[in-house]
Amino acid sequence: DTGVSQDPRHKITKRGQNVTFRCDPISEHNRLYWYRQTLGQGPEFLTYFQNEAQLEKSRLLSDRFSAERPKGSFSTLEIQRTEQGDSAMYLCASSFDRVGDEQFFGPGTRLTVL
Amino acid sequence: QKEVEQNSGPLSVPEGAIASLNCTYSDRGSQSFFWYRQYSGKSPELIMSIYSNGDKEDGRFTAQLNKASQYVSLLIRDSQPSDSATYLCAVKGWGKLQFGAGTQVVVTP
Repeated sequence: DTGVSQDPRHKITKRGQNVTFRCDPISEHNRLYWYRQTLGQGPEFLTYFQNEAQLEKSRLLSDRFSAERPKGSFSTLEIQRTEQGDSAMYLCASSFDRVGDEQFFGPGTRLTVL
Repeated sequence: QKEVEQNSGPLSVPEGAIASLNCTYSDRGSQSFFWYRQYSGKSPELIMSIYSNGDKEDGRFTAQLNKASQYVSLLIRDSQPSDSATYLCAVKGWGKLQFGAGTQVVVTP
């Protein structure tokens, strides 16, 4: 039983470049979440999918961020025109839609924008 | 006011003692509550979930929930150096989790 995987684990980019992250959830999980975490803070919700449908998107998420889950399996998170303030750990979590809905996190992608 | 509040710590606990962590939340409609452990540079790891008022025990961990007081706590018994980490309280609204900023626990030999 494999857990949530994320790729890449680390990404260094220059300001203004586009970056894309991938998340593969636990295979039987139908919900997939993206969070962002900065130093000293708890994870902050970005968006989530149930199967291929994007059900909620944080109001804090600018138009430069977009996420997809085209076949209800893996998901991608793209950040366009990166800014230094985008530097953070991007976390993906998955769950099975049931009472409790425990979410399990992947290892994260650490983004550094120079 | 933040929606989920935790003391930031650090909470220094002698090895073998009980660590007591507290969390309050603002949304009275919240139904599911979780504790995650996060080591430095790593992602959060789920250690406890609780949905009903009262206590829930799992090994050395006990979670306590009081919905009337909007309060959830975590006790770590027989604290070990490997318990040194940041503990995140998470409250589930519709779909998403809302996290506190975490409490850093340092277990001293």
